Amino acid sequence: TQLLEQSPQFLSIQEGENLTVYCNSSSVFSSLQWYRQEPGEGPVLLVTVVTGGEVKKLKRLTFQFGDARKDSSLHITAAQPGDTGLYLCAGVLLGANNLFFGTGTRLTVIP
Amino acid sequence: NAGVMQNPRHLVRRRGQEARLRCSPMKGHSHVYWYRQLPEEGLKFMVYLQKENIIDESGMPKERFSAEFPKEGPSILRIQQVVRGDSAAYFCASSSGQGYGYTFGSGTRLTVV
Repeated sequence: TQLLEQSPQFLSIQEGENLTVYCNSSSVFSSLQWYRQEPGEGPVLLVTVVTGGEVKKLKRLTFQFGDARKDSSLHITAAQPGDTGLYLCAGVLLGANNLFFGTGTRLTVIP
Repeated sequence: NAGVMQNPRHLVRRRGQEARLRCSPMKGHSHVYWYRQLPEEGLKFMVYLQKENIIDESGMPKERFSAEFPKEGPSILRIQQVVRGDSAAYFCASSSGQGYGYTFGSGTRLTVV
């Protein structure tokens, strides 16, 4: 049983399209992070959200933390080929010490 | 500081040998985490260490695996008597404290033949 479920698992879109990736759980998190991982490399932190309902923007990426702090979404506007990669959400459970990672969404943006 | 340094990048071991994976955290980071990633899967937590202390090893297999973060030097993940199922990418991350974002190394890809 996965603590954090991401959907979709795979996504292939044309350059210029918009997309949303979802990260869901039945557990409450004190914080949630999004990472992007390129082949052969470690994940790179994109954003950390800590407050229920929080929305953060990073250029064409918009991150939202659910009001109940159980879920999050990542929206990309006007996707570019450079956005291709594995997107991972990760959360710290209340009272826990470590980060649990989601199942991942592999995004391919076709030029 | 180039970030979290892991070595070696690639490691090949025969079944039954020992594997030692090293991780030097970012300067100023005293929290180290080890994760394992199988092909096409997410990262699985293994162990969380601070200097000279194991804080949480709930993700570590009970046998053959051990980790340390000595007062001086890098953190070491040690796998004794490796088996084919140990083949994976092992990532180390560091942070300046709980709740802060992690900085990951480039990983060590272990292949057991």
